[in-house]
Amino acid sequence: GQSLEQPSEVTAVEGAIVQINCTYQTSGFYGLSWYQQHDGGAPTFLSYNALDGLEETGRFSSFLSRSDSYGYLLLQELQMKDSASYFCAVRDLINTDKLIFGTGTRLQVFP
Amino acid sequence: DTAVSQTPKYLVTQMGNDKSIKCEQNLGHDTMYWYKQDSKKFLKIMFSYNNKELIINETVPNRFSPKSPDKAHLNLHINSLELGDSAVYFCASSHRTEASYEQYFGPGTRLTVT
Repeated sequence: GQSLEQPSEVTAVEGAIVQINCTYQTSGFYGLSWYQQHDGGAPTFLSYNALDGLEETGRFSSFLSRSDSYGYLLLQELQMKDSASYFCAVRDLINTDKLIFGTGTRLQVFP
Repeated sequence: DTAVSQTPKYLVTQMGNDKSIKCEQNLGHDTMYWYKQDSKKFLKIMFSYNNKELIINETVPNRFSPKSPDKAHLNLHINSLELGDSAVYFCASSHRTEASYEQYFGPGTRLTVT
């Protein structure tokens, strides 16, 4: 089977650092993507990890450990506008090239 | 400039009706997708086209029929709508199938079946 697990909700205050974890179990794996979705909006691409390690893009960083089937998204210097849902997604290439999305984590940032 | 656009943004209709959603991308991408996001925000792929060719067809009722007249357009027609079809439908595109990790989503079409 294929599954991606994320915490359902995370809360933090402005200026803090928060980590959103993603564990996956898929029949094929080529890399882990992260998407952000504000309420009423569309998912937007944040980052992609194909290799182990940390990828940094401004205040956001994403980490992957292929041996542990685990990744996380790290958000630093949190701002109110970061309140959104965050999805990890795995490329599945066993049968077709498609993205399998995780269950999503709702991040609420408080002042 | 709108990268991926969908029409309509909202669609309210009765059970048994037939409706269509249109999608267009001006990014020059080769691959387009349809996703369904349910009330729990679970995002699931339905179909994917690469250069007008169907490459992903998930377990979707055959009441749903995608059509790609050219690689910039992907439409979704739904026959005999049911209550369970109520959801937000997103169109997306990527540069090519190998770049499926980075997809650009349209604003979504919120379908409500009464």
